[in-house]
Amino acid sequence: KAGVTQTPRYLIKTRGQQVTLSCSPISGHRSVSWYQQTPGQGLQFLFEYFSETQRNKGNFPGRFSGRQFSNSRSEMNVSTLELGDSALYLCASSGGQGALVGELFFGEGSRLTVL
Amino acid sequence: AQSVTQPDIHITVSEGASLELRCNYSYGATPYLFWYVQSPGQGLQLLLKYFSGDTLVQGIKGFEAEFKRSQSSFNLRKPSVHWSDAAEYFCAVGASGGSYIPTFGRGTSLIVHP
Repeated sequence: KAGVTQTPRYLIKTRGQQVTLSCSPISGHRSVSWYQQTPGQGLQFLFEYFSETQRNKGNFPGRFSGRQFSNSRSEMNVSTLELGDSALYLCASSGGQGALVGELFFGEGSRLTVL
Repeated sequence: AQSVTQPDIHITVSEGASLELRCNYSYGATPYLFWYVQSPGQGLQLLLKYFSGDTLVQGIKGFEAEFKRSQSSFNLRKPSVHWSDAAEYFCAVGASGGSYIPTFGRGTSLIVHP
């Protein structure tokens, strides 16, 4: 079974630009969550989508948005990039048979650098 | 609301020594508990999980963890550490009802000396 795939793995943007990150979950998983990871703030929850609906949202400004498609693939978008948005963005899928709340399968992440 | 505390930011051990990483949680009912590991430049990988039954759970890579309700703890252990175990370790708690989002601890960085 293929794991969670995130693209791109690395990207460099400049302040003010926008970026779109993509995540393909494990086949059969209907929930996709996004996390931002930085050395100073640790792992912070952005949002979670389930069956194309945003089910949970973290405490991030409106510049951060996401969506989920009918095939469960998800994208997140960050507009008007700031230096502080430099981070590793992790996608996680869950919801397979017998899954527990908190049992997540992570991708390798997208490393965003904002200059 | 649930919370997780990992008191140790860094832990340094010698290769071959035993390891214990601490995790304390706060949750009203019986929680679902997890340990994840993150190698440099990688995503998180599930090491083990607890949701009911035997309080000593075995995971991958030779790790185990023990759930102690009286101490609200779920400490991770390994009898003999290998250099490849150097990584960041995260404890997480999931609720059986309500939010579908687990709460993660801040992580413990494990350094292994040869």
